[in-house]
Amino acid sequence: EVQLVQSGAEVKKPGESLKISCKGSGYSFTSYWIGWVRQMPGKGLEWMGIIYPGDSDTRYSPSFQGQVTISADKSISTAYLQWSSLKASDTAMYYCARREWGVDTANNWFDPWGQGTLVTVSS
Amino acid sequence: SYVLTQPPSVSVAPGKTARITCGGNNIGSKSVHWYQQKPGQAPVLVIYYDSDRPSGIPERFSGSNSGNTATLTISRVEAGDEADYYCQVWDSSSDHPDFGTGTKVTVL
Repeated sequence: EVQLVQSGAEVKKPGESLKISCKGSGYSFTSYWIGWVRQMPGKGLEWMGIIYPGDSDTRYSPSFQGQVTISADKSISTAYLQWSSLKASDTAMYYCARREWGVDTANNWFDPWGQGTLVTVSS
Repeated sequence: SYVLTQPPSVSVAPGKTARITCGGNNIGSKSVHWYQQKPGQAPVLVIYYDSDRPSGIPERFSGSNSGNTATLTISRVEAGDEADYYCQVWDSSSDHPDFGTGTKVTVL
C-alpha cells in the first residue's frame, strides 16, 4: 500500500525553527515528486512547493519562496518542510502528497496524501 | 496563476444528486481533478482526468468538463458524502497545481 506518514503536531513560539517530515512507503520514493500543501484554519488548499527526492530538484510557489525550505533524504524515504523563524501566521495544517500523472505527463494530481501535521505558533 | 471558482456551498437531500461546479477560463482544455476532504481528515482524490475514478471510489461519483465549467456529480447522495470538495488543474508552463476555492457539501 502506498502511504505517506507525517510527523506529529507541533506547538511553537514565534521566532522558533521547525522541521516537519513526511515518510513514504510502498513505492519507489525516488521516482515520484512530493508536494507540500498548506491549509489555514477554515480555509482552502494552498500549494507550497514540490521536491523530486531522486535528485532533490525543488520548486516553490512564489508565495512561499524564501519563507520555507523543502528537502528530502532519499536514504530514509522522507521529505521535509522547514521554517527558520516561525510566525503566528504559519499556524495551519500542512499536508504532503505524492504527485501523480497518467499518459499525459503534463497533467498531474496528488495521490495519496499524508494525514497532515498541525503546526500551532503562539506566544 | 489560473483562477478556479467554486460555489462556497451546496446543499442536497439524501438520495438526490449534488452537482459541484468549478469555473475557469477555457477549463475544458485542461484536465480537472477533484478531492474530497471530510472534517478533520486529509483530502482524498475522487476524480482524476475529468472523469476517471480511482479504485475504491464509488460509481456515484462522476465528473465532466467542457467550455468554462467542470462539474463533479454525486448521485444518490449519502450522509457520508458531507465534505469539502476541491477541484485542481496543473499549470504545465510553470509546473505547479492550482486549486479551486472549495465547496462545502451539506446533506440535509
